[in-house]
Amino acid sequence: QVQLVQSGAEVKKPGASVKVSCKASGYTFNDHYMYWVRQAPGQGLEWMGRLNPNSGVTNYAQKFQGRVTLTRDTSIRTAYIELNNLRSDDTAVYYCARLRGADGFDIWGQGTLVSVSS
Amino acid sequence: DIQLTQSPSFLSASVGDTVTIPCRASQGISSYLAWYQQKPGKAPKLLIYAASTLQSGVPSRFSGSGSGTEFTLTISSLQPEDFATYYCQQLNSFPQTFGQGTKVEIK
Repeated sequence: QVQLVQSGAEVKKPGASVKVSCKASGYTFNDHYMYWVRQAPGQGLEWMGRLNPNSGVTNYAQKFQGRVTLTRDTSIRTAYIELNNLRSDDTAVYYCARLRGADGFDIWGQGTLVSVSS
Repeated sequence: DIQLTQSPSFLSASVGDTVTIPCRASQGISSYLAWYQQKPGKAPKLLIYAASTLQSGVPSRFSGSGSGTEFTLTISSLQPEDFATYYCQQLNSFPQTFGQGTKVEIK
């Protein structure tokens, strides 16, 4: 079936980096933009960036410019988000999500909790 | 960026009630609006796209309406499993921003 499976929870110290993976299956990886959205505890959904898996072109939310990098490995149908210089307020669940045209995000990963604490 | 306003942030209702959740866009977005349901500890789930089209597998008690800047999600005959947080998202222009969410709680 169509699904996105993310890597497991991470615990990091302030200033460190984290890289989360999102493996796609059940559809043509290159056909859909991949987005990354995060959700801090008790908060709403925050868009971070998007990746065109076909071209590798990325766009980032201004808030994360310079700290976030989206990449992909098409040979294994996997997208990645790397966030650098972590702070305590980066503690959140990070989701990858597939964009279906102009309809919305129809497939989501299960989420990856990233905890940042000294 | 287009701003989406969901008010109220919390809504109390009882099983069997009809609930309406509004979403207002800061500028016209035609019908490029989606609604999501999120339960604690779970990823959001797409309920409605193109403002009023039900995603496959979503119960028919959910419906969406509106265009331009004013949109509504309606849940008819609220069921116990419908107590959750609901987000709207605009897909008219990049970035595809979200509203801040409306949590439907048990009265």
